[in-house]
Amino acid sequence: GEDVEQSLFLSVREGDSSVINCTYTDSSSTYLYWYKQEPGAGLQLLTYIFSNMDMKQDQRLTVLLNKKDKHLSLRIADTQTGDSAIYFCAVDPGTTSGTYKYIFGTGTRLKVLA
Amino acid sequence: DAGVIQSPRHEVTEMGQEVTLRCKLISGHNSLFWYRQTMMRGLELLIYFNNNVPIDDSGMPEDRFSAKMPNASFSTLKIQPSEPRDSAVYFCASSHTPARPNTEAFFGQGTRLTVV
Repeated sequence: GEDVEQSLFLSVREGDSSVINCTYTDSSSTYLYWYKQEPGAGLQLLTYIFSNMDMKQDQRLTVLLNKKDKHLSLRIADTQTGDSAIYFCAVDPGTTSGTYKYIFGTGTRLKVLA
Repeated sequence: DAGVIQSPRHEVTEMGQEVTLRCKLISGHNSLFWYRQTMMRGLELLIYFNNNVPIDDSGMPEDRFSAKMPNASFSTLKIQPSEPRDSAVYFCASSHTPARPNTEAFFGQGTRLTVV
């Protein structure tokens, strides 16, 4: 089945850039997502990218996709303490039934130091 | 809309007891996902439904787990009998299908289950 891998922890200083990485195994994924989970809460969609794109920028967020290496990254510019959370990469491998499901990585816990 | 609503928020139960987790979907959504989150395994997809029909339950750990959608807006996840290793946060999420790119999955707040 689909496998999505992330590093578990990342620590950065306030004001620096954060880069969270993700690798996946299923090359048929059409959409790739980044979700954010704040303490005690559910997940919320941050951004997504189509598989035919290499990059997407959304304010402080930059998503890079390397389809050849099956590597997805999320860059947060000017990281703030409010960015401290768990970040999940998710892919949609698609199904033969025409429906879809999300497969999430293990999540990367980002800690921003003041 | 109030979003995806899960109940209870916290559940503490003794090993061997039956546990039922509940989820109300966002009105108009027709896909429903149950996930389990633990420190060791991260976020695991247990089962998902489309139009009230279970599409893929390959993530359900064992026969002790069962999920139903008695109607288009409500789902239950039942564990019977519960075991300490079932302790986790269980999330329900809903979304539209098949329209894309508006296929964001909206998550509930989760139910923290502790089996002692």
